[in-house]
Amino acid sequence: EDQVTQSPEALRLQEGESSSLNCSYTVSGLRGLFWYRQDPGKGPEFLFTLYSAGEEKEKERLKATLTKKESFLHITAPKPEDSATYLCAVQVPTSGTYKYIFGTGTRLKVLA
Amino acid sequence: GAGVSQSPSNKVTEKGKDVELRCDPISGHTALYWYRQSLGQGLEFLIYFQGNSAPDKSGLPSDRFSAERTGGSVSTLTIQRTQQEDSAVYLCASSLMTGGYEQYFGPGTRLTVT
Repeated sequence: EDQVTQSPEALRLQEGESSSLNCSYTVSGLRGLFWYRQDPGKGPEFLFTLYSAGEEKEKERLKATLTKKESFLHITAPKPEDSATYLCAVQVPTSGTYKYIFGTGTRLKVLA
Repeated sequence: GAGVSQSPSNKVTEKGKDVELRCDPISGHTALYWYRQSLGQGLEFLIYFQGNSAPDKSGLPSDRFSAERTGGSVSTLTIQRTQQEDSAVYLCASSLMTGGYEQYFGPGTRLTVT
């Protein structure tokens, strides 16, 4: 069964304290892996798409990487405004189309 | 350009009543998705449209839930005879196409069934 697991569930960092969020997946055929940021009371906001192992994408303090089993979202020198829930999703082929499977997210709190 | 919009933003209804939730996707996006998110939970897939057809309805929780999309644009999610367990945030997303394209989400409709 296709599955996506994110860890940790919650993470508290001091401002400037770098860390990584993990998204591990077990799927039969990966079309793409997506990272989103969700602020309270809002819909998820797209961050990155990764398609193949070894691929990396960067945006400001965030860097996403992908292997054949997992993806990491590295946060370098985070600021309080990076506090949010970070979701990963995989897109896999199914019955002639594609489906997205979301993880349950990592709630990040960055303290000033 | 305009993003995905949803209406209403909040809906309070009595148990047993029917509700309609609306989603207006980004212009030109052919794929449209509905999800449900309960407090502190992940996104639960409900249904997906490619154009006006729904190749995947597997996530609809019961036959009280239905959705349609007309003109390849606006979609309506209807919940009949609402129950308290239907209370959640209903999110709509659209993407340019399927197969490797990211989704763009609306702000959601918070549904409360009393």
